[in-house]
Amino acid sequence: DIQLTQSPSLLSASVGDRVTITCRASQGISSYLAWYQQKPGKAPKLLIYDASTLHSGVPSRFSGSGSGTEFTLTINSLQPEDFATYYCQHLTGYPFTFGPGTELDVK
Amino acid sequence: EVQLVQSGAEVKKPGESLKISCKGLGYTFTRSWIAWVRQQPGKGLELMGMIYPADSDIRYNPSFQGQVTISADRSLSTAYLQWTSLKASDTAMYFCARKDSSGYKNWFDPWGQGTPVTVSS
Repeated sequence: DIQLTQSPSLLSASVGDRVTITCRASQGISSYLAWYQQKPGKAPKLLIYDASTLHSGVPSRFSGSGSGTEFTLTINSLQPEDFATYYCQHLTGYPFTFGPGTELDVK
Repeated sequence: EVQLVQSGAEVKKPGESLKISCKGLGYTFTRSWIAWVRQQPGKGLELMGMIYPADSDIRYNPSFQGQVTISADRSLSTAYLQWTSLKASDTAMYFCARKDSSGYKNWFDPWGQGTPVTVSS
């Protein structure tokens, strides 16, 4: 099975900051990577698919890049509603595992 | 609007059985996969398995094979996750999520609101 790691596991930032989260795959997954945002007690929400395509309705301050084994999620000009946990997920070869998550909290 | 609506919270004792549901609305239920995802308290997301309602093709994550049963009723546009004998470690939030069957639509969206399951004596 393909394993995903995320770094950092915890990220402290302030409103207006630019932050980057990294997701690494144990083997090449082309661009079959999605990013989700989850707030406490809520279901995850799709942000980005195919590594860099913004899902409909997601603010343009979110962006994704990468292919192969290394991917990044960048949030420009953090807004108060962006403080949440972020997960990557690969979708090449079942099972479609998730990364362990990155918690983004207020500095 | 495409949405998945899950059944309500459950409180059970160890050894009891349970079946929770996920109803698809606003799309052709048989043309998408439904995935079940576990989230234990304070932990991350784990894919348990997926079902394709059109032909009941089921794929279990090996970690969950034999521990749960996934099924679907096409006439009700509903997928199910079932346990025959619950354990305390099954305490978690369970989400369903839709994955389009098209090979180029590689994402889970939408997600159900989640069903919290508590197993305690």
